[in-house]
Amino acid sequence: AQSVTQPDIHITVSEGASLELRCNYSYGATPYLFWYVQSPGQGLQLLLKYFSGDTLVQGIKGFEAEFKRSQSSFNLRKPSVHWSDAAEYFCAVGGSNTDKLIFGTGTRLQVFP
Amino acid sequence: EAGVAQSPRYKIIEKRQSVAFWCNPISGHATLYWYQQILGQGPKLLIQFQNNGVVDDSQLPKDRFSAERLKGVDSTLKIQPAKLEDSAVYLCASSLDSNEKLFFGSGTQLSVL
Repeated sequence: AQSVTQPDIHITVSEGASLELRCNYSYGATPYLFWYVQSPGQGLQLLLKYFSGDTLVQGIKGFEAEFKRSQSSFNLRKPSVHWSDAAEYFCAVGGSNTDKLIFGTGTRLQVFP
Repeated sequence: EAGVAQSPRYKIIEKRQSVAFWCNPISGHATLYWYQQILGQGPKLLIQFQNNGVVDDSQLPKDRFSAERLKGVDSTLKIQPAKLEDSAVYLCASSLDSNEKLFFGSGTQLSVL
């Protein structure tokens, strides 16, 4: 079955600290993998995506993610978190950029000054 | 560039009432999606349109939910009659074509009492 697991429901970090949000997926074919961010009252914004090529992908706002096929993971990282990064982060998997995206349950990030 | 517009922003109804949501995609975007996001969960695809034709409505509860995209531009999603479990944020998204990047609206938050 196709699925996405985000094991951390809520993460709290201090501003300036590093961040890693975990994502594990199950998908029968070669997956497209995505990270989206959702600020309160806003729609989802694409941070980055991976389909092929370099397994370390760079996204907007200083985020990066690493695809590890052996671990079925696509963890999101940022070396230094800013207060404005506080939001909900969703990992998603699909067969293309838009094909039946399956979203995880999200990780809520809280940033303390 | 204007984004995906949705209205209303919030809606509160009693169970068994009907409700309709409206979406205006980004100009020129052929593909339109409706997602349901229940609190604490990731978005789930309800229906996908390509122009004014339905591509995928396999997860749409057709006994109470309906959607249309007349003229291949704006779309409406209707629930009749609503149930308590329909309380969620309904997100509209559009893309230039299938397999292109998704752009999300801010959503309509529905509360069914």
